[in-house]
Amino acid sequence: QVQLQESGPGLVKPSQTLSLTCTVSGGSISSGDYYWSWIRQPPGKGLEWIGYIYYSGSTYYNPSLKSRVTISVDTSKNQFSLKLSSVTAADTAVYYCARATLVQSSPLDYWGQGTLVTVSS
Amino acid sequence: SYVLTQPPSVSVAPGQTARITCGGNNIGSKSVHWYQQKPGQAPVLVVYDDSDRPSGIPERFSGSNSGNTATLTISRVEAGDEADYYCQVWDSSSDLYVFGTGTKVTVL
Repeated sequence: QVQLQESGPGLVKPSQTLSLTCTVSGGSISSGDYYWSWIRQPPGKGLEWIGYIYYSGSTYYNPSLKSRVTISVDTSKNQFSLKLSSVTAADTAVYYCARATLVQSSPLDYWGQGTLVTVSS
Repeated sequence: SYVLTQPPSVSVAPGQTARITCGGNNIGSKSVHWYQQKPGQAPVLVVYDDSDRPSGIPERFSGSNSGNTATLTISRVEAGDEADYYCQVWDSSSDLYVFGTGTKVTVL
């Protein structure tokens, strides 16, 4: 069974870049069968999709975040990563990684446990 | 952008039926997925493609989708069903995943 695990700093200063990594186990990103997504959830609020990447490096981003987001993949480590630049307190959230099959209308069927990132000086 | 509207809360007695709606423009033409999120946990997929259940999800969870409203129905509600529920679609006009506003289900 596939498992996803987020990792990275839990505290980021305003104006800096948030960096997180999702490590996938029990399945290979290189299989090419899935899109690999990042989603976030501010405390007490709803879910917001950030973007996804395919093993080849192709990406799709939420237009509302596109100017600040970079998602990359390292197939040798079976990991994909998120960078969000110029963060503010509004970027404080639990960040989740998840996967979906290649049909864009497909659901996010496996999720990581999430990691809380706080933006504060 | 595409908006999905859910009622903020639904309350239901144990053993009764909970219905959670998800409203969107012509949502019946899209595939709707539903997630259950318990406090401090990641969302879990409970219904996909309007009405299908992933392996391990009880038959008590069912879904429907028509017109401008999709519905998640939880039959014979149990205390363990208390959670937040989110609907989700892929908005092909904007190329992004869209989540509903979320519904908190309280078991009385």
